[in-house]
Amino acid sequence: DIQMTQSPSTLSASVGDRVTITCRASQSISSWLAWYQQKPGKAPKLLIYKASSLESGVPSRFSGSGSGTEFTLTISSLQPDDFATYYCQQYNSYSFTFGGGTKVEIK
Amino acid sequence: QLQLQESGPGLVKPSETLSLTCTVSGGSISSSSYYWGWIRQPPGKGLEWIGSIYYSGSTYYNPSLKSRVTISVDTSKNQFSLKLSSVTAADTAVYYCARHPVKVVYAIIGEFDYWGQGTLVTVSS
Repeated sequence: DIQMTQSPSTLSASVGDRVTITCRASQSISSWLAWYQQKPGKAPKLLIYKASSLESGVPSRFSGSGSGTEFTLTISSLQPDDFATYYCQQYNSYSFTFGGGTKVEIK
Repeated sequence: QLQLQESGPGLVKPSETLSLTCTVSGGSISSSSYYWGWIRQPPGKGLEWIGSIYYSGSTYYNPSLKSRVTISVDTSKNQFSLKLSSVTAADTAVYYCARHPVKVVYAIIGEFDYWGQGTLVTVSS
């Protein structure tokens, strides 16, 4: 199985900050990576697919990059609505795995 | 607008079988463009993919759960279902159903683009 490791597990930031979350795969997954945002009591919401493609309706302050085994999610200017937990997920194989999550907290 | 809705018992006894159904509305489960999956999230923890099914019945399962999982599809009702046998307290979680597109050109099943709201299943006597 492909293991996905996210860092940091928790991040404290202020409104307006640039935030970067990292996701590493245990083997190459090409660009087959998605990022999700989850708020308490809600289902995850797709933000980014194929490592860098922005899902329709998602604000442009979210961006993704990377390929192979190392990926990043960047929020260019953190907004109040962005305080949430973020997960990466690989879909390179027919066995899908998620990272452990990164909680973005208010500093 | 596509909607997915999970339904089933919220409480299951240890050693019994957990059964959930996902009803799809606003779109056809028989579309050749999508797989349909189950994902779960224990309270306060991360996400775990359980398995996915195509309208034809083709399935993929998480290897760590494969011996206990059965996913089936009923195209006449636009539903797919999950059965998880021999449950323990470790199976207590919010269970989500979701859709993921087939990327034919790449022979890949893609990201989860639509999700149900989730349903909490507690395993307890």
